[in-house]
Amino acid sequence: NAGVTQTPKFQVLKTGQSMTLQCAQDMNHNSMYWYRQDPGMGLRLIYYSASEGTTDKGEVPNGYNVSRLNKREFSLRLESAAPSQTSVYFCASYRHTDTQYFGPGTRLTVL
Amino acid sequence: QQQVKQSPQSLIVQKGGISIINCAYENTAFDYFPWYQQFPGKGPALLIAIRPDVSEKKEGRFTISFNKSAKQFSLHIMDSQPGDSATYFCAARGGGSNYKLTFGKGTLLTVNP
Repeated sequence: NAGVTQTPKFQVLKTGQSMTLQCAQDMNHNSMYWYRQDPGMGLRLIYYSASEGTTDKGEVPNGYNVSRLNKREFSLRLESAAPSQTSVYFCASYRHTDTQYFGPGTRLTVL
Repeated sequence: QQQVKQSPQSLIVQKGGISIINCAYENTAFDYFPWYQQFPGKGPALLIAIRPDVSEKKEGRFTISFNKSAKQFSLHIMDSQPGDSATYFCAARGGGSNYKLTFGKGTLLTVNP
C-alpha cells in the first residue's frame, strides 16, 4: 500500500515549457486535491476532484489544468510555465474518516 | 481573504517545554479542524484533529483546545522534544461534500536540546 505517490520528485523547466505532474493513490479514495506550497504562504488549493469525473477550481487555479483520469489518478498540467509557478506541489486524497493524505511533493523550478 | 490565521510564524522552545500554536477562523460553517505536521522534504501528515462540538482533544503529548465562541483553536505540545521540530499547519474544513481544507500559513517549531 503506497498511499499517495507523485512523479516526478524534482523538475526544472524554462519559461514557456509545459509539463504534467502525476499523482496516484491506491486507497480507493473518492476525492483528490492539488496544492502548492510557497514559503510563508501555507498550502493553497489549486484544483480538486470531489469524485471521478468531476473537477473544480480552488483558490489559485490560474495557469493550471487538471485531469481526473480515473479514480486512482489526478494529474496537474502547466501549459506554459512561468517563474511564478516555482513551488512545491502536493497531491492529496481524502478518506471518509476526515483525513487528507498527502503525497511526498514535486519540487518545481521555472527559470 | 485569509480565512484561517495562524500564529506565531516561528517558535523556539527548549526541550521539555510547552509549545503553543494558535489559530483563528472566520467562517462559522467550518466543521472539522485538523493539525498537520510537516518535516523538511516531506508532505504534511495529520497529527490530531477536533470537531467543534468538543472543547479539547488529547493524544499523547499533543492537545487541541477549541473555543467555538471565540472561533479559535490551539495546539499544545507538552514535554517538547527535538524530534518535534517541524512546521505545523492548522486547517479548517468547509461544510459540504467537497471536503476542502483551508490552511493557516504555518509555524516553524524548533526545539533546542
